[in-house]
Amino acid sequence: EPEVTQTPSHQVTQMGQEVILRCVPISNHLYFYWYRQILGQKVEFLVSFYNNEISEKSEIFDDQFSVERPDGSNFTLKIRSTKLEDSAMYFCASSVESGGDTQYFGPGTRLTVL
Amino acid sequence: GNSVTQMEGPVTLSEEAFLTINCTYTATGYPSLFWYVQYPGEGLQLLLKATKADDKGSNKGFEATYRKETTSFHLEKGSVQVSDSAVYFCALSSREDYKLSFGAGTTVTVRA
Repeated sequence: EPEVTQTPSHQVTQMGQEVILRCVPISNHLYFYWYRQILGQKVEFLVSFYNNEISEKSEIFDDQFSVERPDGSNFTLKIRSTKLEDSAMYFCASSVESGGDTQYFGPGTRLTVL
Repeated sequence: GNSVTQMEGPVTLSEEAFLTINCTYTATGYPSLFWYVQYPGEGLQLLLKATKADDKGSNKGFEATYRKETTSFHLEKGSVQVSDSAVYFCALSSREDYKLSFGAGTTVTVRA
């Protein structure tokens, strides 16, 4: 069964450093998403991406964040200058359609900012 | 905007007990409703979904019915197992939306 994959599984970085989190969505899916979950808190939407453009973003997704689909398979989340409060589990998801369609999640990348 | 209110946890049960986790929602239009499960150390897995009023989603012995009149999507299982220990998230997505809105999650622990 196809699945969403994410790398790395755990990333440790120093405050102020740039990090890139990588995702490979399910191959026939067209919509891609990033969510984050701070330890013990709810899962929060960050951004959705379709047709090489951001289709929706949350207040969390400020200028420090960017997304890219650099080739036909990868989908990346970049944090330019990490802060302590960026420490969280970051989940990538994908779906065939938007608006109520099922989103399939990857296993997550745990980001620790020291 | 859309929001999901989920029963507070944690919930601790004995094996073979009945489980119910309450979920109510606020949304514009007619959202799709989901339950996701997160087993220890793993990511989010879709447990079940319902896309219109009175639909019942079911999987692995879990069931939830989309109740438009009470704006609810309560999760139930008649006889839980130790392997059902996980965090359960209620979520919704509207036709006009690109995102899932999640509830706070309910931690369920099943003791042998």
